[in-house]
Amino acid sequence: QQQVKQSPQSLIVQKGGISIINCAYENTAFDYFPWYQQFPGKGPALLIAIRPDVSEKKEGRFTISFNKSAKQFSLHIMDSQPGDSATYFCAASSQGGSEKLVFGKGTKLTVNP
Amino acid sequence: GAGVSQSPRYKVAKRGQDVALRCDPISGHVSLFWYQQALGQGPEFLTYFQNEAQLDKSGLPSDRFFAERPEGSVSTLKIQRTQQEDSAVYLCASSLAAGVYEQYFGPGTRLTVT
Repeated sequence: QQQVKQSPQSLIVQKGGISIINCAYENTAFDYFPWYQQFPGKGPALLIAIRPDVSEKKEGRFTISFNKSAKQFSLHIMDSQPGDSATYFCAASSQGGSEKLVFGKGTKLTVNP
Repeated sequence: GAGVSQSPRYKVAKRGQDVALRCDPISGHVSLFWYQQALGQGPEFLTYFQNEAQLDKSGLPSDRFFAERPEGSVSTLKIQRTQQEDSAVYLCASSLAAGVYEQYFGPGTRLTVT
């Protein structure tokens, strides 16, 4: 049972374009939704996170949009740069549990110069 | 150190050997997590410590996997009688305290079982 479904699996955008990655979850107990960025050979790095009491959070070029009723959230990367080329993971956790993160399967983003 | 560190970074083991993977969390972080990341997949939860107490080990795939954090700081993940399906990257993450959600990951240990 995949609790967090992520799409697309891969994404190619041009420099300066907008990258959009989507995730859907099933467990309504989830109350924390982070996005991680991972470069080859490195560990995941926390990018931005949101709680369900807000519908949007923006940090620099990165924005999370959250739709509680649809149980969906998405990452938008504005003005995408070649340095953004990496694998992005959405995740979710619940304070009621051990706060373990449940990850999506990842999206490999390629930004062409 | 400034971040989570893990050692060794790479480990090659023959099938049937035992291995031990080390994690040094961020200083002062109470919570520590181990995840397993197969090639091309997202990390999957293995186990969770709050200080020295192992509060959740529901993700450990078999009784060959054992984790400890005896003094509430450094943690070791041990895999006995390694199998080929154990080949993966093992990630350690720490967070400041229970209820503080942000988890910070180390670089991982890539285990290859031949």
